[in-house]
Amino acid sequence: QSVLTQPPSVSAAPGQKVTISCSGGSSNIGNNYVSWYQQLPGTAPKLLIYNNNKRPSGIPDRFSGSKSGTSATLGITGLQTGDEADYYCGTWDSSLSAVVFGGGTKLTVL
Amino acid sequence: EVQLVESGGGLVQPGGSLRLSCAASGFSFSSHWMTWVRQAPGEGLEWVANIKQDGSAKYYVDSVKGRFTISRDNAKNSLYLQMNSLRAEDTAIYYCARDTGSAWQQFDYWGQGTLVTVSS
Repeated sequence: QSVLTQPPSVSAAPGQKVTISCSGGSSNIGNNYVSWYQQLPGTAPKLLIYNNNKRPSGIPDRFSGSKSGTSATLGITGLQTGDEADYYCGTWDSSLSAVVFGGGTKLTVL
Repeated sequence: EVQLVESGGGLVQPGGSLRLSCAASGFSFSSHWMTWVRQAPGEGLEWVANIKQDGSAKYYVDSVKGRFTISRDNAKNSLYLQMNSLRAEDTAIYYCARDTGSAWQQFDYWGQGTLVTVSS
């Protein structure tokens, strides 16, 4: 059971928009930065969003992040088949003194 | 170019030990927190441990406390994970990752991973 809760799967058609939620608590999301990772099949995770809503260089602006209270959201617009991957949220948990990840969300682009 | 290359994985019997290494290059290794993250077959990401720039602070997930030890050698640009008393549930791909530099435990570079299989 993950400390952060994500939907197991989401799907949408090419060109459409999708959002992935990540729910936590005051000891993690509520008081720490959230990051988001994309993991394509058979590859290592890749940082998509850090500090809740910042994109590393090279990440297209189709990817966005937001945080409100104890929840965070990853948004992807203009969906492409190449976006099919698993997406994970992560943050520091001050009570556990540990990094916590969500269980992951599998994105299917229909 | 930032590179992280893990090594040391393999097949080990339950109760055995293994030492993973992560060779870093392309950045100032001594300026970054470093982390180990693992992923069991078909499962999600699980953070394992991290270590401060000078090694003065280390944190572990509860399931490995007392069995795993994270360490680093800044002179060799290397990160290590000593794994003792291994269990079947430790079977996973182990990734080393670099913190962005803000110390908020967000990981901007990852290695390709090394597979650890614990089985008799």
